[in-house]
Amino acid sequence: DGGITQSPKYLFRKEGQNVTLSCEQNLNHDAMYWYRQDPGQGLRLIYYSQIVNDFQKGDIAEGYSVSREKKESFPLTVTSAQKNPTAFYLCASSTPQGAKNIQYFGAGTRLSVL
Amino acid sequence: EDKVVQSPLSLVVHEGDTVTLNCSYEVTNFRSLLWYKQEKKAPTFLFMLTSSGIEKKSGRLSSILDKKELFSILNITATQTGDSAVYLCAVASGGSQGNLIFGKGTKLSVKP
Repeated sequence: DGGITQSPKYLFRKEGQNVTLSCEQNLNHDAMYWYRQDPGQGLRLIYYSQIVNDFQKGDIAEGYSVSREKKESFPLTVTSAQKNPTAFYLCASSTPQGAKNIQYFGAGTRLSVL
Repeated sequence: EDKVVQSPLSLVVHEGDTVTLNCSYEVTNFRSLLWYKQEKKAPTFLFMLTSSGIEKKSGRLSSILDKKELFSILNITATQTGDSAVYLCAVASGGSQGNLIFGKGTKLSVKP
């Protein structure tokens, strides 16, 4: 089945530790996105990538890093510099066509700090 | 600064009621407005609106856009408990390569 797979579903981070969240899509989409969702808040953009080997910072990129070595994969690393990492992380992908930027989402990863 | 504001933030209704969710926006170079439903985890796409006055409809859900007054509404008729979810409104702005700007969402609870 075509879709977006995020793993793991739940992740715990110790203080000072870097953790990596996986996002894989088999929709042949060019663009991929990472969002953070906090309770009572909308989705906030962390990083996005319109094409392989290129990515851009979103509104809240500090403390995060990404890579886009393959079209299908867009992993997000939450570094120790991110002091408040507890949140729900959503990955999305799309094939922007002018106004038609419909983004499709994975099931998310819930990250907590030990 | 681009922004999307949804109201109300939460809403409790009974099965069979009709609800209207609101989304207003201020963005640079508007491209489209999207509605998503988020039940537990992944937001699922409902509608995309680009033109004023043209209603999009899917079953008991419908949505319309007013580009002059800068808002959209999402209507749900004959609500069911399965409609309970957070409904997210997002706007694609040309000023940010078409990236989506999300509102905070409306949490709808439908009681039997």
